[in-house]
Amino acid sequence: GNSVTQMEGPVTLSEEAFLTINCTYTATGYPSLFWYVQYPGEGLQLLLKATKADDKGSNKGFEATYRKETTSFHLEKGSVQVSDSAVYFCALYTGGFKTIFGAGTRLFVKA
Amino acid sequence: DAGVIQSPRHEVTEMGQEVTLRCKPISGHNSLFWYRQTMMRGLELLIYFNNNVPIDDSGMPEDRFSAKMPNASFSTLKIQPSEPRDSAVYFCASSLAQDGEQYFGPGTRLTVT
Repeated sequence: GNSVTQMEGPVTLSEEAFLTINCTYTATGYPSLFWYVQYPGEGLQLLLKATKADDKGSNKGFEATYRKETTSFHLEKGSVQVSDSAVYFCALYTGGFKTIFGAGTRLFVKA
Repeated sequence: DAGVIQSPRHEVTEMGQEVTLRCKPISGHNSLFWYRQTMMRGLELLIYFNNNVPIDDSGMPEDRFSAKMPNASFSTLKIQPSEPRDSAVYFCASSLAQDGEQYFGPGTRLTVT
């Protein structure tokens, strides 16, 4: 079946550090891939997406590249800020109605 | 656009009481999802609708939980009777089915004492 595996948190970084959150997936067909972010006390919101192999999604300094050969969609940011502290969810969609979410990775950024 | 609207934002109730959570999806979206989020179990999909019809309710934990979508602009999730282990944040999300991108509401924080 379809599934998403992301690195366990929490991840703790100092401000301006480089961020990587790993995400791998298992899916039949050609899924669309997403990263969602959840700030404290809020619902999830879309951060970026990629719909086909080798596509790069980007937003707010975050990037992720759809790698079909390694079935991965790792999230990266070159220089994190305290305001990036949140929970990050990797997700996939293969059509139909349902999106499959990973377990989430909590990020703490220290000033 | 106002986004997905949920009410109430916070609900505190006593064990055994009926609880009704409400959701208004984004206009034009044809799929609606109810999720539950807890520290222990993370984000769980409870049920989803397409064009107001329930498609998959396999995530509904027990018969105490029920959900309805009487029209395209309104859905409810009801718990009767409520129990302390139902305490969680409940999210509603909507989407265009062919897109896969979901838009989440702010959530309802439910506390059952």
